[in-house]
Amino acid sequence: QVQLQESGPGLVKPSQTLSLTCTVSGASTRGDTYYWTWIRQPAGKGLEWIGRIYVSGSTNYNPSLKNRVTISLGTSMKQLFLELTSVTAADTAVYYCARVRHQDPRMYWFDPWGPGILVTVSS
Amino acid sequence: DIQMTQSPSSLSASVGDRVTITCRASHSISNYLNWYQQKRGRAPKVLIYAASSLQGGVPSRFSGSGSGTDFTLTISSLQPEDFATYYCQQSYSTPWTFGQGTMVDLK
Repeated sequence: QVQLQESGPGLVKPSQTLSLTCTVSGASTRGDTYYWTWIRQPAGKGLEWIGRIYVSGSTNYNPSLKNRVTISLGTSMKQLFLELTSVTAADTAVYYCARVRHQDPRMYWFDPWGPGILVTVSS
Repeated sequence: DIQMTQSPSSLSASVGDRVTITCRASHSISNYLNWYQQKRGRAPKVLIYAASSLQGGVPSRFSGSGSGTDFTLTISSLQPEDFATYYCQQSYSTPWTFGQGTMVDLK
C-alpha cells in the first residue's frame, strides 16, 4: 500500500525559501510510470495545484507561482521535493504531496495523498 | 486556465437524503473530471475519476455523471460519515484546477 508523508519546517520567514520533502513508502518514485504532485490549501480555502514531476524528471508548474517553484525527485527513489522561493504570507497553507494516477493522455487523478503539512510564513 | 465552478457552495442535509452537487467547467473538458471528499483536518480522498468511475473502496451510494462542461456528484442516501467538503478537479489541461468546494453539513 502506497503511503506518503510530508516533512519540513513549519515556519518560514518572508522572502526566504520554503523546502519540503515527501517520503514515499510502498512504491518507488522512479520505478513506476507515475507522476507525483504537490498541492496546497490555505486555511479555510480551496485547493491549488502547484506542479507535477514525472519519473523521468520532467516537470510542469502552475504559472500562478511565477517561476518560484521547483519540484524534484530524490536519488533514493523514495522522496520528492518542493522548493518555493521568495515566500510571502500568501504562501501560508497546508501543503500536500500526492501520487498521480492516469489512464490516458489526459485522465489524471490524485491518489493517495499525504496527510499534509502546515507551513506558516511569518517573521 | 480552465475555471471550475461548483454549486451550491454549501448545503444542509439530513441522513438518508439524496444530495446532488454540480460542477461546471469554463471550457469543454470531455470526461476529464474527478471528485474528492475532504473531511475536516484531513487530506482529500478521491471518490470518482473520469467523471463516472468509482474509485476502489468507495461506497456505491456515490456516483458521478456528465461530460463536456457540466458534471454532477450524487450521494444517493447521505450517511453520517459523508458530512464533508467535496471538490471537483479537471485534468483536461494544465494547470489542473479545482472547484471552490461544496460543504455538506447536518441540517
